[in-house]
Amino acid sequence: QQQVKQSPQSLIVQKGGISIINCAYENTAFDYFPWYQQFPGKGPALLIAIRPDVSEKKEGRFTISFNKSAKQFSLHIMDSQPGDSATYFCAASIAGTASKLTFGTGTRLQVTL
Amino acid sequence: GAVVSQHPSRVICKSGTSVKIECRSLDFQATTMFWYRQFPKQSLMLMATSNEGSKATYEQGVEKDKFLINHASLTLSTLTVTSAHPEDSSFYICSAKEPFNYGYTFGSGTRLTVV
Repeated sequence: QQQVKQSPQSLIVQKGGISIINCAYENTAFDYFPWYQQFPGKGPALLIAIRPDVSEKKEGRFTISFNKSAKQFSLHIMDSQPGDSATYFCAASIAGTASKLTFGTGTRLQVTL
Repeated sequence: GAVVSQHPSRVICKSGTSVKIECRSLDFQATTMFWYRQFPKQSLMLMATSNEGSKATYEQGVEKDKFLINHASLTLSTLTVTSAHPEDSSFYICSAKEPFNYGYTFGSGTRLTVV
């Protein structure tokens, strides 16, 4: 199956806290796992992505943890800021020019003061 | 980095008319582009995959005669919503597959309102 399951649906975190969003996939052929951030009325923007040959990738305050055996990956936002308030989507794809992204259902993050 | 430009950002049209949305890759050649539709508070729903010089591949349930996709060059894909109805009102987003890597770059989206 091509599904990517994402949780939670919504998340409220205090400023300075850690936001954690989880995704699980079923298709073991997936080999590219990006996270996108979307603000209202805008298209998704790539935050960070990982390939299955590494278990963790960190870029600034954003970290992806990847568990190949469990077919799960997660996004950690450290020191969450009000400006991080947005909808976050995980996705997965299979290498190939015409390969499409399979998106999770999205998580609406609200960072409070 | 890769940039995808989508126009218009907003459009209002009358029922029964057609509207065209453009998606351009500004600094790379995109052999494959994707068109999505997004309803409020929902995820992106893939409508079709557009390959330069060939017919688009539509997802199940998407009316190909209603949503015409043209990918005539390596930098431009267009989506034309024909005979628009109020239920076609939605947020449409295009995406281009970056060559030589795994990335996908998204346009800023088009808010279509059919009145």
